[in-house]
Amino acid sequence: DAGVTQSPTHLIKTRGQQVTLRCSPKSGHDTVSWYQQALGQGPQFIFQYYEEEERQRGNFPDRFSGHQFPNYSSELNVNALLLGDSALYLCASSLAGKQFFGPGTRLTVL
Amino acid sequence: QKEVEQNSGPLSVPEGAIASLNCTYSDRGSQSFFWYRQYSGKSPELIMSIYSNGDKEDGRFTAQLNKASQYVSLLIRDSQPSDSATYLCAGGEGRISNFGNEKLTFGTGTRLTIIP
Repeated sequence: DAGVTQSPTHLIKTRGQQVTLRCSPKSGHDTVSWYQQALGQGPQFIFQYYEEEERQRGNFPDRFSGHQFPNYSSELNVNALLLGDSALYLCASSLAGKQFFGPGTRLTVL
Repeated sequence: QKEVEQNSGPLSVPEGAIASLNCTYSDRGSQSFFWYRQYSGKSPELIMSIYSNGDKEDGRFTAQLNKASQYVSLLIRDSQPSDSATYLCAGGEGRISNFGNEKLTFGTGTRLTIIP
């Protein structure tokens, strides 16, 4: 049973650029959540998708947007990148109450 | 703002001893709590979940929840060097309509080092 997968593993962008991160949930998991983890901090909730709709959103600006596809996979888009967007971006899929994280995408904004 | 607080450590424990990790939360509505282990450079790995007051045991791990005191803890018995990691405490938002898939609020994590 494949776990949560994310791509790419690492990404380097410059300020002002746009980025798209991808996530495939565990088999059978229908809910995908995205988190941002800055160095030395705990993950912070960005938003959650279920049935192709954004169900919940954390305190992140509209520059952060997402999408969920019919196969439950998901994308996170960040526009107008800032230096402060440098972080580990984690995708978690869930079913029956437990969230399992993927390996993450390390985003560096220069 | 709903918060989850942890002692950032580092916490050093001799091999074979009991490691005790603590966490407090501010949202009285939270119904679900989780402990994740995160090795350096890796993503968080779920090790325990707890929803009811009391203790829950799984192998060498015991999670404890006290909703009246808004306190969650994790005990690791017979600590091993491989237990050295950062331990993240997380609380669910507490929306009954979304129970089990709520957004999680994480603490900053406690760095645990097991000394051989």
